[in-house]
Amino acid sequence: GQNIDQPTEMTATEGAIVQINCTYQTSGFNGLFWYQQHAGEAPTFLSYNVLDGLEEKGRFSSFLSRSKGYSYLLLKELQMKDSASYLCAVRNAGKSTFGDGTTLTVKP
Amino acid sequence: DTGVSQDPRHKITKRGQNVTFRCDPISEHNRLYWYRQTLGQGPEFLTYFQNEAQLEKSRLLSDRFSAERPKGSFSTLEIQRTEQGDSAMYLCASSSATSTDTQYFGPGTRLTVL
Repeated sequence: GQNIDQPTEMTATEGAIVQINCTYQTSGFNGLFWYQQHAGEAPTFLSYNVLDGLEEKGRFSSFLSRSKGYSYLLLKELQMKDSASYLCAVRNAGKSTFGDGTTLTVKP
Repeated sequence: DTGVSQDPRHKITKRGQNVTFRCDPISEHNRLYWYRQTLGQGPEFLTYFQNEAQLEKSRLLSDRFSAERPKGSFSTLEIQRTEQGDSAMYLCASSSATSTDTQYFGPGTRLTVL
């Protein structure tokens, strides 16, 4: 089976750095994805990790430890528009299993 | 690249009616996925296709749900005898079966069953 855990909610201040954690227990693993989803909209792709380590893409970075079943998404220089839900998803063969998302609120 | 499109964007129906949704994937993508999402939850996998072949279907999916991708391009998802519990956002995604296989989502179809 697949089990993915993320915190339900987080709050951070504009300009700050926030780390959103994701832990997973899955029967197979072919990669981990992070998506951003604004209210009422579809998820949009942020990052992909398949090997251990850090992937950096502008203000967003994602880290993976396969042995620990752990990933995090790091958002730097937070902006108000970063207020959204952040979804962690694990791919096993062709299918992806999503966590329930972390709702991030960025305050001035 | 026009992205993944879905039609309709909103559907209101009465309990017991049948509904059909359409998804047009990104043109060069050979994989197509259907998900269902309710408020406060992540997308829940329903089924996926590689070309015209349906490779996996969720065990959570009742027999009232069926999906097709007859020519390996667009796909349809049909729900028969709708129930109030079917009210959700139905998301379609597509990907290219490469090493990353990143899924790109359409805008979704919001279904309300009265």
